Amino acid sequence: GAGVSQSPSNKVTEKGKDVELRCDPISGHTALYWYRQSLGQGLEFLIYFQGNSAPDKSGLPSDRFSAERTGGSVSTLTIQRTQQEDSAVYLCASSPQRSPNNEQFFGPGTRLTVL
Amino acid sequence: AQSVTQLDSHVSVSEGTPVLLRCNYSSSYSPSLFWYVQHPNKGLQLLLKYTSAATLVKGINGFEAEFKKSETSFHLTKPSAHMSDAAEYFCVVSDNTGGFKTIFGAGTRLFVKA
Repeated sequence: GAGVSQSPSNKVTEKGKDVELRCDPISGHTALYWYRQSLGQGLEFLIYFQGNSAPDKSGLPSDRFSAERTGGSVSTLTIQRTQQEDSAVYLCASSPQRSPNNEQFFGPGTRLTVL
Repeated sequence: AQSVTQLDSHVSVSEGTPVLLRCNYSSSYSPSLFWYVQHPNKGLQLLLKYTSAATLVKGINGFEAEFKKSETSFHLTKPSAHMSDAAEYFCVVSDNTGGFKTIFGAGTRLFVKA
C-alpha cells in the first residue's frame, strides 16, 4: 500500500519568506510526527498529532514554526520568515495508534534550503 | 525524562566481521526501544524494536539487539557485516510519558570496508 508521502521533495527559498511543507500519512494512521534533521545530526522532534487531541508542540523551536492537521489526515508544517538555520530535511512519520510500542513509518522528507 | 546516547558517531568494520553499535538510554518508565536505519538518500526504516517482551530482539537483515535493564543499554549487533549495511543507524527511546514523544539518538554512521 501507499506509504507516507511528503511534498515538495526539495524547496529552495529566500531568507524571510514563508514556506509550507506537506505530509500525507498512511491511511488510517492516527498518530503523525514531524521531525527536523540537520546536516550530520540526528532527528529533532518538532510536533506530534494524535487523533483529535491537542497536538504536542513542545519541540517547535520558535513561534515561526506551526503545524496543523486537517481532518485527522494531511498535515502542513509552516515556517514563517525563514532563516538560514532553518535549512534541514523535514521528515514526517505516521503510526497506527497512540502507543510507545508502535513503529513509525517515515516519509522521504523535504529538503529545505534557505538562501 | 527520556534520553538516548549513541556512544560512537562513526564505526568502521571490514566486510564479514562483526558489527557493534552502542546505545544507552534513560527513561523514567518501562521504555520501548527501537533501531532505525537510514541509507543514503532513502527514508528511515525500522530494523527492530523492544517492547517489554523478549530481551533479545531479532530484526531484519540479520541484526539483533539485547535489552539490558541493569546497564540501560540496547546495543545493536550483527555477526557478519555486508557492504549493503553501510548506512546511518539511530537508536530511539519512547515511553508513555510526555505524550509518547520519541527521542532519537544522534546516529552512528557505519562504514563497511571491502
